[in-house]
Amino acid sequence: DQQVKQNSPSLSVQEGRISILNCDYTNSMFDYFLWYKKYPAEGPTFLISISSIKDKNEDGRFTVFLNKSAKHLSLHIVPSQPGDSAVYFCAATSENSGGSNYKLTFGKGTLLTVNP
Amino acid sequence: GAGVSQSPSNKVTEKGKDVELRCDPISGHTALYWYRQSLGQGLEFLIYFQGNSAPDKSGLPSDRFSAERTGGSVSTLTIQRTQQEDSAVYLCASRRAMGAGSYEQYFGPGTRLTVT
Repeated sequence: DQQVKQNSPSLSVQEGRISILNCDYTNSMFDYFLWYKKYPAEGPTFLISISSIKDKNEDGRFTVFLNKSAKHLSLHIVPSQPGDSAVYFCAATSENSGGSNYKLTFGKGTLLTVNP
Repeated sequence: GAGVSQSPSNKVTEKGKDVELRCDPISGHTALYWYRQSLGQGLEFLIYFQGNSAPDKSGLPSDRFSAERTGGSVSTLTIQRTQQEDSAVYLCASRRAMGAGSYEQYFGPGTRLTVT
């Protein structure tokens, strides 16, 4: 049972355009969401996060939107750059997770390719 | 400061052998996690350590897997009698675990394990 779903395994966009990566979740206990970026042969790198008390968080070119009623979040990158090409993972956790371990539940990732 | 380090970066072993993977978390981070990423999958939680508390082993796939964390710092993940399905990238992450906004986990580069 996949609790965090990234239904698009890949996305290709032109440099300078907007990239929109989507993520859906099923567990209503999740109240904190994170996006990670992963280059080949490297560990995931934290990108941006959002608490369920917000519906938007912005950091430079990156904005995460959260729609709690739809259990959906998205990551917008604008303008997209070739260096953004990587696998993007959506992750979720619960402040009330058992023992407060804050373990992350990940989606399978979306490979973003930004073409020059 | 230094990030999370893991060793070895690659490990090839024969089916049935035992392997030991090492993780050195960020200094001062009290929470430590092990995840694994099998081919085409998202990251899967394995085990969590927090200070001197009993570890959360709920993600370990079988009793062939064990982990320890000595002195609240370095951790080792041991897989006994390895099987081909154990082939994956094993990732370690640490978290500050104090204060608001401390849900972000910082990952090491991973150990790619191949069981032949």
